[in-house]
Amino acid sequence: GESVGLHLPTLSVQEGDNSIINCAYSNSASDYFIWYKQESGKGPQFIIDIRSNMDKRQGQRVTVLLNKTVKHLSLQIAATQPGDSAVYFCAERGQAGTALIFGKGTTLSVSS
Amino acid sequence: GAGVSQTPSNKVTEKGKYVELRCDPISGHTALYWYRQSLGQGPEFLIYFQGTGAADDSGLPNDRFFAVRPEGSVSTLKIQRTERGDSAVYLCASSLGGLAGGSSYNEQFFGPGTRLTVL
Repeated sequence: GESVGLHLPTLSVQEGDNSIINCAYSNSASDYFIWYKQESGKGPQFIIDIRSNMDKRQGQRVTVLLNKTVKHLSLQIAATQPGDSAVYFCAERGQAGTALIFGKGTTLSVSS
Repeated sequence: GAGVSQTPSNKVTEKGKYVELRCDPISGHTALYWYRQSLGQGPEFLIYFQGTGAADDSGLPNDRFFAVRPEGSVSTLKIQRTERGDSAVYLCASSLGGLAGGSSYNEQFFGPGTRLTVL
């Protein structure tokens, strides 16, 4: 069935390093992908999205890469800061009009 | 500006009781979503409203769960005969438009959630 997963449950980096968080998805028909950040006690917060007709999209300090050949999504965070510490989820939309499916999440810990 | 709000923030109940969880979406957002998040997991879709009607309720786990949005704004998630397995954080989100369409139209803004504990 449809599922979205992340390769690593935890990632620890030093402040100033670049972070890469990975996600594998299983539905080749998915047309839209989103990365969310969730801090403790809060709801998920939108970071960046990408449509299936793109392979890269950049935001402020973040870049999302989509490789449809291997059904892989990644989030790159440049110059990681302690405030980036949170759980990161990728989500996919199977097709327009259907609900988002979230993966299990990667906990990013940034030490200064 | 005001974001999505949810009340109560915490709810403790006993097995078999009935609970109602409330969501106030961002003003003007036509779409509203309910999710359930268990510890260490990603949010799991429950139901999606477009205006007053449930456009997709395929995520509701069984008939003990029901949600309404009578005036197209505030929504209430209702759980009957609660079970210990219902314990989770229930998240609500709203978006300007629905699930189809471009990113700025359907970006989902999440509330802080209601933590439900069934003893």
